[in-house]
Amino acid sequence: EAGVAQSPRYKIIEKRQSVAFWCNPISGHATLYWYQQILGQGPKLLIQFQNNGVVDDSQLPKDRFSAERLKGVDSTLKIQPAKLEDSAVYLCASSHDRDIMADTQYFGPGTRLTVL
Amino acid sequence: AQSVTQLDSHVSVSEGTPVLLRCNYSSSYSPSLFWYVQHPNKGLQLLLKYTSAATLVKGINGFEAEFKKSETSFHLTKPSAHMSDAAEYFCVVSVNNNDMRFGAGTRLTVKP
Repeated sequence: EAGVAQSPRYKIIEKRQSVAFWCNPISGHATLYWYQQILGQGPKLLIQFQNNGVVDDSQLPKDRFSAERLKGVDSTLKIQPAKLEDSAVYLCASSHDRDIMADTQYFGPGTRLTVL
Repeated sequence: AQSVTQLDSHVSVSEGTPVLLRCNYSSSYSPSLFWYVQHPNKGLQLLLKYTSAATLVKGINGFEAEFKKSETSFHLTKPSAHMSDAAEYFCVVSVNNNDMRFGAGTRLTVKP
């Protein structure tokens, strides 16, 4: 079974530029998550999708961050414009179905973003 | 909202000695609790999870954790540390798969 795929693995941009990350979850997984992990901290949930609908985006900075999962499969996370404090690893995870109790999340390798 | 506190940012043990990584949680509802491990340059991997079926949960690689409601704790243990256990460990709480909250992490160092 293929794991969660993310691209790019690394990205360096200047502040005020835009950037997009892509995630392809495990086949058949209904739930998809995007996390931000700042160096030295635990991951922070940004947004959670169930199929193509948003379940939770309460911690997503909506003035600059956006995410979509139009066909309920792969997803993109965009930052526009980027700030220095957005430097972090962006993790994507997927799980079978959020209605399954304590559903296991499977994480991708992450995209390391550096904003200069 | 729920939260977790990992009581130690760094734990150092000798190979072959027991491991204890401490986690306390806060939740208004019956939580699900998880431990994930993150090896350098690798993705997060589930070690074990508590779903109210049994308070003592066994995971992969010899790890286990005990849910103690009275102490709001979910500490991770292993009887004998191995060099390959050196990694970052995260305690996670959620309610109905919503509002996943990770702790700040505990870095485990294993000395030969």
